[in-house]
Amino acid sequence: NAGVTQTPKFRVLKTGQSMTLLCAQDMNHEYMYWYRQDPGMGLRLIHYSVGEGTTAKGEVPDGYNVSRLKKQNFLLGLESAAPSQTSVYFCASSLLANTGELFFGEGSRLTVL
Amino acid sequence: QQQVKQSPQSLIVQKGGISIINCAYENTAFDYFPWYQQFPGKGPALLIAIRPDVSEKKEGRFTISFNKSAKQFSLHIMDSQPGDSATYFCAAGPSAGKSTFGDGTTLTVKP
Repeated sequence: NAGVTQTPKFRVLKTGQSMTLLCAQDMNHEYMYWYRQDPGMGLRLIHYSVGEGTTAKGEVPDGYNVSRLKKQNFLLGLESAAPSQTSVYFCASSLLANTGELFFGEGSRLTVL
Repeated sequence: QQQVKQSPQSLIVQKGGISIINCAYENTAFDYFPWYQQFPGKGPALLIAIRPDVSEKKEGRFTISFNKSAKQFSLHIMDSQPGDSATYFCAAGPSAGKSTFGDGTTLTVKP
């Protein structure tokens, strides 16, 4: 019962470096989401996808790109990392949009020096 | 502009007591009001959710009370246990994935 798996779990980057976070779900969910969580704050939606081959901007999309080439995978990319992107990133998926329960991964902690 | 305000920021309750966390929202178009529980080092997990056509929903020791006219909703944890110690987030939005989250409440239940 893997559910939603995120890799890597931890990463340290230098300013200007690039990286990709991978989210994989084995529940055949249509909808996938990337959030960031900062200390003392709730989750903020970065990008989301309503199905394979689709992506859309969330609340805080600047500095990030995403791709959903396969239904089970949702990639979050940082082309040129900045210290303001230091955060914990959570991926989530849901079967339905309106009433579907969100299933979260365990998070990826990113530090940008 | 914060659309969901959650209080208190932290809460300490004795074992067996009632924990109450409150949230207020601004957008009357919001249609889905979930509460999430998050343990350290883990992702949030859905605890209970409500839609605005009902005023209360109960699942075990957890109850959501919803006041549509006041644009407020709250989580009540009855008979609080040390295992309930976690961070709780309310959220509100047009759907599960596009909900706006509150800033969280850290609950500590003392034995």
